[in-house]
Amino acid sequence: GESVGLHLPTLSVQEGDNSIINCAYSNSASDYFIWYKQESGKGPQFIIDIRSNMDKRQGQRVTVLLNKTVKHLSLQIAATQPGDSAVYFCAENSIKAAGNKLTFGGGTRVLVKP
Amino acid sequence: DADVTQTPRNRITKTGKRIMLECSQTKGHDRMYWYRQDPGLGLRLIYYSFDVKDINKGEISDGYSVSRQAQAKFSLSLESAIPNQTALYFCATSDLSTGEWTDTQYFGPGTRLTVL
Repeated sequence: GESVGLHLPTLSVQEGDNSIINCAYSNSASDYFIWYKQESGKGPQFIIDIRSNMDKRQGQRVTVLLNKTVKHLSLQIAATQPGDSAVYFCAENSIKAAGNKLTFGGGTRVLVKP
Repeated sequence: DADVTQTPRNRITKTGKRIMLECSQTKGHDRMYWYRQDPGLGLRLIYYSFDVKDINKGEISDGYSVSRQAQAKFSLSLESAIPNQTALYFCATSDLSTGEWTDTQYFGPGTRLTVL
């Protein structure tokens, strides 16, 4: 499959444990944040998003936390499963900006150990 | 996402050659995007299009051109390929109806391009 990168930060997690993936952003004007999951051989897949007027948002087995004070975003995956092994990207945007031009972070590789 | 297809999936070419990467979508979305992905750098926007009459440069458009032949088709061309254009290329689509607050982008499977 397609290799998304050889030098990504890697998080190794035991199956069944919770995973926390972190992301720092730099643009104070960003008001929309999104997490994507990229499996080998596939394009990025939408997981969850959050607006800047929120601190937390929950989805199915995933939670995104936003700390605007320190410009930090995290993705928590509950009860990590083998299918969660992938590269995870955060992206930021300003909804007011034209074009929905997302700025992506470099990605974190998650490896789930059985 | 099978609704967004890219051809070819893999391509090896030589420096100076002109090549075209194609993207087709059956989602009926108005907006289409081309990104490139390099190791450790995430995805960077090359060009985007809001409809068939709209073309906009992204962050790294130099050395690339695009054509929006129809709502469903958006092609990326490298007029004279160079080795530092070796990368993964992704097409994405979106529409204002696809997200709760803004349009969510849906990505194709990618094209691996190698320029020798």
